Amino acid sequence: EVQLQESGPGLVKPSQSLSLTCSVTGYSITSNYWGWIRKFPGNKMEWMGYISYSGSTSYNPSLKSRISITRDTSKNQFFLQLNSVTTEDTATYYCARFPKNWGQGVMVTVSS
Amino acid sequence: DVVMTQTPPSLSVAIGQSVSISCKSSQSLVHSDGKTYLNWLLQNPGQSPKRLIYQVSNLGSGVPDRFSGTGSEKDFTLKISRVEAEDLGVYHCVQATHVPYTFGAGTKLELK
Repeated sequence: EVQLQESGPGLVKPSQSLSLTCSVTGYSITSNYWGWIRKFPGNKMEWMGYISYSGSTSYNPSLKSRISITRDTSKNQFFLQLNSVTTEDTATYYCARFPKNWGQGVMVTVSS
Repeated sequence: DVVMTQTPPSLSVAIGQSVSISCKSSQSLVHSDGKTYLNWLLQNPGQSPKRLIYQVSNLGSGVPDRFSGTGSEKDFTLKISRVEAEDLGVYHCVQATHVPYTFGAGTKLELK
């Protein structure tokens, strides 16, 4: 059974970087596509990007200058870095083998 | 970006009632590979999203056959026959044909 688990700080200061880790068990990240999605207060959801089985990436153009998704295949983990955050980046962040398998989500608040 | 227009924003239903949710896209969702990557997700309160339907009409694993998806090109519908208490939550359509993947605004299903 595929399981995904997000981890990272729940509070980030404005202008700093948000960094999250997704740990995957039960499936190798060298297969398929692995992404990050966020849900804002209310119901709005946004696809942020993915890293593929080969390590190639695709990002939402709305974030392209600020986002990076990388991986460590030896640990079966992939990572999200979002730079220059503002209060508008406050959201619950999910990692997923989109759209089939999801992590439980981590709430991140951007506040000074 | 493909705009996903989802209606209604909320539904108040009685247990055992049947309901439908509509999702219309601003562009055809037929991929160059011939498949249509339109999914339906359910997020129960306090939980991560769960995939119900993929590629318009395919039931996800473990999803009851009370759920069904229909549609083509730009017009899609999720039907829930005989709503049960476990069906309450927020439903989203999401297209994964065009990058960036985009979500409908959500339909909140509540008990009458």
